[in-house]
Amino acid sequence: DAKTTQPNSMESNEEEPVHLPCNHSTISGTDYIHWYRQLPSQGPEYVIHGLTSNVNNRMASLAIAEDRKSSTLILHRATLRDAAVYYCILRDGYKLSFGAGTTVTVRA
Amino acid sequence: GAGVSQTPSNKVTEKGKYVELRCDPISGHTALYWYRQSLGQGPEFLIYFQGTGAADDSGLPNDRFFAVRPEGSVSTLKIQRTERGDSAVYLCASSLIPGTLDTQYFGPGTRLTVL
Repeated sequence: DAKTTQPNSMESNEEEPVHLPCNHSTISGTDYIHWYRQLPSQGPEYVIHGLTSNVNNRMASLAIAEDRKSSTLILHRATLRDAAVYYCILRDGYKLSFGAGTTVTVRA
Repeated sequence: GAGVSQTPSNKVTEKGKYVELRCDPISGHTALYWYRQSLGQGPEFLIYFQGTGAADDSGLPNDRFFAVRPEGSVSTLKIQRTERGDSAVYLCASSLIPGTLDTQYFGPGTRLTVL
């Protein structure tokens, strides 16, 4: 599986935007970029995914670089409930291959 | 609607014992997955079911681990002769359409502690 690189941790203040980077320089043409997050003591939950174009949903936005070698997950207004580990995953099939993710801390 | 449920939520056992972990997927979901998450790490894939059959069991660490899904809904992960290294959170997920990029919905996990 193609690998992703994410910062270990990021901090944000409540109500401010959070930009979570992900590098995936070995991405292949068939890999989709998926983001899941895991809140404390819960299983992971789907956030968003994309292939080439930027994507928006009610939870977040995904900005994908033109060469697809990197992407950024954007939480527009962080809340305390957004404190979680965020995983950037390259996916071309049924399997999810999780890395260590980015631990996001939100300060009140 | 009801999400993926897993029982028990916590299981403490002694080294060498046999354990069973249960997963109830979302109703109607054909695909079911088991993952294992060690402390401080992301989940690791164990096995994938399409209906009743295991389509991919390449993530099972050794032959002490086995999983079944006899009627295509509930699944049981079975671990024989448990070892301390088996201590982890075991996560189950299900998705509607097998073999695709469909969203996987995870349960809360079973925390297994082997003393």
